[in-house]
Amino acid sequence: GAVVSQHPSRVICKSGTSVKIECRSLDFQATTMFWYRQFPKQSLMLMATSNEGSKATYEQGVEKDKFLINHASLTLSTLTVTSAHPEDSSFYICSAIRGRNTEAFFGQGTRLTVV
Amino acid sequence: DAKTTQPNSMESNEEEPVHLPCNHSTISGTDYIHWYRQLPSQGPEYVIHGLTSNVNNRMASLAIAEDRKSSTLILHRATLRDAAVYYCIHSRGNDMRFGAGTRLTVKP
Repeated sequence: GAVVSQHPSRVICKSGTSVKIECRSLDFQATTMFWYRQFPKQSLMLMATSNEGSKATYEQGVEKDKFLINHASLTLSTLTVTSAHPEDSSFYICSAIRGRNTEAFFGQGTRLTVV
Repeated sequence: DAKTTQPNSMESNEEEPVHLPCNHSTISGTDYIHWYRQLPSQGPEYVIHGLTSNVNNRMASLAIAEDRKSSTLILHRATLRDAAVYYCIHSRGNDMRFGAGTRLTVKP
């Protein structure tokens, strides 16, 4: 299957700083990328949907000024957690699709710990 | 919101078939049915997807009810490596929202 690479896999940052997470589709062009957050023993919660070259669509309750998403090319999307706080500590996962109704490929996830 | 209903957990014995059910009563005519699975501390992995007809691939089979309001993921011979949380999604184009999923335990 296709490969989606997410980096970093693990990051610890201080409260008040910003963290950028990258999501790359390595062997296909992704028309759409998705960002999720997952807390322990819970399901994935969709944060935003991102199409290349356009602004991301955020889910209700997700602060777009806090979770900045950039999808500048068909192979790269980034999520920046700005002014991180301990409650932002979570497992962040990206996924990408090649087109409508195709299967999604997921990154390995990023474990963010804010201290 | 696209919503699916799955059992919280299921158990299977190794080498035996497993049938994982999913109800998606709000599915529309153009929604595809997707199945993914997730191991601890990893991103989900694609298993299979389909629209109306039953689908087979090297990992599993997908049986879709005639009215499309339910589907069943079939693992033909469960292995210990199949232990995971299995998620069923019905997707309206670019909409990929996850439900609670089914935690599958495989006993040796």
